[in-house]
Amino acid sequence: EVQLVQSGAEVRKPGESLKISCQGSGYTFTNFWIGWVRQMPGKGLEYIGIMHAGDSETRYSPSLQGRVTISVDKSTSTAFLQWSSLKASDTAMYYCVRPSSAYDFLLSELDYWGQGTLVTVSS
Amino acid sequence: QSVLTQPPSVSGAPGQRVTISCTGSSSNFGANHDVHWYQQLPGSAPKLLIYVNNNRPSGVPDRFSGSKSGTSASLAISGLQAEDEADYFCQSYDNALGGWVFGGGTKLTVL
Repeated sequence: EVQLVQSGAEVRKPGESLKISCQGSGYTFTNFWIGWVRQMPGKGLEYIGIMHAGDSETRYSPSLQGRVTISVDKSTSTAFLQWSSLKASDTAMYYCVRPSSAYDFLLSELDYWGQGTLVTVSS
Repeated sequence: QSVLTQPPSVSGAPGQRVTISCTGSSSNFGANHDVHWYQQLPGSAPKLLIYVNNNRPSGVPDRFSGSKSGTSASLAISGLQAEDEADYFCQSYDNALGGWVFGGGTKLTVL
């Protein structure tokens, strides 16, 4: 059974750093891309970026590039999303997702989702 | 503001049929990119409901159906049940943004 299991909720102050994780299991982790999507309180979903878990090729949303960094650890089948300096506007639920196709990864559906990590940034 | 436009809410009585629209543009639906739909139950992560316009993953009842034409798409739910009460999101790829785009979500209330 394919599963994406994310790390727990986090509370940080503005300016602090943070790294959240998403561990994949039940499939060959390095054969697929893994992406991140956020949902701000009471709002819709927003694309953050995506990385190929095998070769680490990465794409970012133009609106968020430079604000976040996506990485993977192949040895533990884990993807990460990190910030070096959080802002209050980063408060959101963050989901890792797996596109169903390793080739048409930006065109295909997101067939597996993590359970979400709530990030709260408040002074 | 979301790139794909959905109505904020729809409602229907048990047993009725409702539709949720999703309006895009020439850089997503108009560029022949597919639409996918997700169901988000309260307090849960979204779950894939319809993929590639009108396909249901295993386990999704045939009460759910999708369609796409031109720059618009829609999700239809027939035989409404109380358990269908959730938020529904459409999703596609946008050439201009170079990534996934989502609708703002539609809250379905079963009366």
